[in-house]
Formats: sequence, structure tokens, C-alpha cells
Amino acid sequence: DIQLTQSPSFLSASVGDTVIITCRASQGIGNYLAWYQQKPGRAPKLLMFVASTLQSGVPSRFSGSGSGTEFTLTISSLQPEDFATYYCQQVNIFPPFTFGPGTIVDIK
Amino acid sequence: EVQLVESGGRVVHLGDSLKLSCAASGFTFKDNAMNWVRQVPGKGLEWVCLISWDGGTYYADSVKGRFTVSRDNENNSLYLQMDSLRPEDTALYYCTKFLYYDSGEPVAMDVWGTGTTVIVSS
Repeated sequence: DIQLTQSPSFLSASVGDTVIITCRASQGIGNYLAWYQQKPGRAPKLLMFVASTLQSGVPSRFSGSGSGTEFTLTISSLQPEDFATYYCQQVNIFPPFTFGPGTIVDIK
Repeated sequence: EVQLVESGGRVVHLGDSLKLSCAASGFTFKDNAMNWVRQVPGKGLEWVCLISWDGGTYYADSVKGRFTVSRDNENNSLYLQMDSLRPEDTALYYCTKFLYYDSGEPVAMDVWGTGTTVIVSS
């Protein structure tokens, strides 16, 4: 099975900051990586697919990059509504469709 | 509006069976592969199983042989039959729809239900 790791697992940031979350795969997955945002008590929301394509309706301050084994999610000019947990997911090789362990973005 | 609504979750005992349902609307259900994903409260996301548009099934090792996913394309419904339940199956269970990209391959889960909670007591 493909394993995904995320770093950091927790970060504290201020409104207006730029934050970068990294997701690493245990083997190459091409660009078959998705990013999700989850707020407390809510279902995950798709942000990005095929590593760098923004889902419809997602603000352009979110961007993604990477291929193979290393990927990043960047949030530019962090907004109050961006404080949440972020998960990456590989959809290249299944089963399983592995999720990363999550990164909590907390307000400083 | 594209929507998924799960139901059927409740408190059960070790070894019991339970069947979850997911009602889909707002999209062509019969053309889409569907998934169940679960989340232990306060923990991360775990993919549980997939059923393709034509009924092919795939399972996580943690549920293989105990859970069975099925679908009723006439009634736009997805099901998860859960047998031999264990305390570690306690979670919020989400029904999800795949997003397909230009290549025709699934690339992400773009629609999620609100989930239904299963609690397995020992």
C-alpha cells in the first residue's frame, strides 16, 4: 500500500500569512493527489485535484504543486475561514485510496 | 443540487450487523463509482470501500470479509452491509462520489454526505 505523510502535523499561523503543507508518498503516484479541507463538525471539502487543479468555487489563494512523491498545498494570505484540518489523498493506486494523517492549521 | 444523505447509523454491540444507506440526488448516479469513507471522532480519514458503476467492489484490508458494499441504480442508493462489527469500527461513515477528469479516471471525491455515526460497544 502507498503511505502518505504530511508535514507539519500542526501549524499555528496568523491571518495574512502564507502557509505551506507538504504531502509525501511512499512511492510515485504521478499527479494523482487531491487535497481536502475539513472544519470541525463538517464533512471534508475538496480543494484541489491532480495536484494543482483548483476545484470549482475554491478561492485562488489556494494552490497546489508537485508530482511523483512530493506535493505541496500553499495558502496565500490566510483568511479566518481557512483555519481547519487539511488532508491529502492519493488516487493513483488502489486499494486503498490512502489519506494523509492531516495537518491542523490553527490561529496564532 | 448534488447531494448525498447517509442513514442507518446507531449503537450496536460487538459482533452485530448493521446496514447503512446513502441516498443520492442531483447527478447521474448509475454512471459514478461511489465510496464509503469513515472517520473516528478526532482522528483522520480512512477509505473503506468502493463500488464501480457496474458493481465491481474493492475494500480496505480492515473491513474485507466483513463489510459488503452494494448499489441500487434504479433508486439512486448506495449501501454498506457491516457484519461482525468491532469496537474499532466505531466512526462517522461518509458516502462519497468520485470526480472524473479528462482521462475518464477518478481523481478525487468531490461530493460528501454529512455522515452517519456507528458506535460499536463491547
